[in-house]
Amino acid sequence: DIQMTQSPSSLSASVGDRVTITCRASQGITTYLAWYQQKPGRVPKLLIYAASTLQPGVPSRFSGSGSGTDFTLTISSLQPEDVATYYCQKYNSAPWTFGQGTKVEIK
Amino acid sequence: EVQLVESGGGLVKPGGSLRLSCAASGFTFSSYSMNWVRQAPGKGLEWVSSISSSSSYIYYADSVKGRFTISRDNAKNSLYLQMNSLRAEDTAVYYCARDLGGTTAYFDLWGRGTLVTVSS
Repeated sequence: DIQMTQSPSSLSASVGDRVTITCRASQGITTYLAWYQQKPGRVPKLLIYAASTLQPGVPSRFSGSGSGTDFTLTISSLQPEDVATYYCQKYNSAPWTFGQGTKVEIK
Repeated sequence: EVQLVESGGGLVKPGGSLRLSCAASGFTFSSYSMNWVRQAPGKGLEWVSSISSSSSYIYYADSVKGRFTISRDNAKNSLYLQMNSLRAEDTAVYYCARDLGGTTAYFDLWGRGTLVTVSS
């Protein structure tokens, strides 16, 4: 099975900072990669699919890139409401594995 | 309103059984594949099982294979998860989520979850 590895596991940044989260697949998955945001005590929310396509309603400060095995989620200017754990997920085939998550906090 | 509502969670002893349900509304349920995803307390997301729109394709995580059974009733707009031989490590919030399958198998709608606690 393909493993999904995120880095870092957690980060702390200031409001307005550019934040980058990395997700690596153990085998190529072309662009079958989604990103989810889970705020504390809330349900996961789809942010990005097909590695770089923003789900409608998601702020434009979020962006995704990558293909094959290496992917990134970027928040161009971190806002207080972005405090959350972010997960990548492969969806090219079963099992639909999630990364272990990256917790983003405000410094 | 487009939504998924899970039910059926609760406290069960190790070795026991539980059946979760997920009621869909506001969209054409029979057009979507459906999934169960769980989250143990303080842990990350773990995909559990998936079923295609017509129940032709069913998949399970290795951690639940042989113990859990996913099913759906398109006439009732409902998804189910029969959980048998439950273990302490099955304790989690269980979410149902939909996807369009194939190249669009990302989870664009999630329910609020139902808590399953396995403890003696």
